[in-house]
Amino acid sequence: EVQVVESGGGLVQPGRSLRLSCTTSGFTFGDYTMNWVRQAPGKGLDWVAFIRSKAHGGTAEYAASVKGRFTISRDDSKSIAYLQMNSLKNEDTAVYYCTRDLNPSIWSGEPSDVWGKGTTVTVSS
Amino acid sequence: DVQMTQSPSSLSASVGDRVTITCRASQSVSNYLNWYQQKPGKAPKLLIYASSSLQSGVPSRFSGSGSGTDFTLTISSLQPEDFATYYCQQSLSTPLTFGGGTKVEIK
Repeated sequence: EVQVVESGGGLVQPGRSLRLSCTTSGFTFGDYTMNWVRQAPGKGLDWVAFIRSKAHGGTAEYAASVKGRFTISRDDSKSIAYLQMNSLKNEDTAVYYCTRDLNPSIWSGEPSDVWGKGTTVTVSS
Repeated sequence: DVQMTQSPSSLSASVGDRVTITCRASQSVSNYLNWYQQKPGKAPKLLIYASSSLQSGVPSRFSGSGSGTDFTLTISSLQPEDFATYYCQQSLSTPLTFGGGTKVEIK
């Protein structure tokens, strides 16, 4: 069964850091672009970042609101994606979803067909 | 950035009704337009990708159409399990952007 499971969320003070993990199974992780998408309480969906497969350079793209503060990475040997979040702000409070692109080995333009249940990040003093 | 605007933001409908949700992009996204369904407390679920392709396992009462800037999600006969919030998303260019959502409620 194809699965992604997020972990690492919690309550953190503004300015502090947190690292989220996305543990996957049931597919060849290294072939796929992986994404993080977040949803603030009562709000809509907000794309955060993605990281391409190594076949496409393993490059990453970020939303402007997190660029320079968040870093997405991947460990293909462990089938895990990460989101390192630094200098957290109150407005980063959200459920963070890890998602997989629909088709493997595609440069860009794919929807997300596999979503985890999400991990909640609360930034508050 | 490509802005995605959905309408209506909410609607009330009855079981069996035909429901149409519209999504407009601020510039052409070709057919890189996807639709998701989200139920309360759950992760979104991919329904339609590339404007009109039905994701595996999704009932055929869901359909999508459009290209360029104007897109439509249609539910041909609303079922009780379809009451949810629907989001469009463009995946042509970064930042990937979502519409604000359309909440489909029971009349």
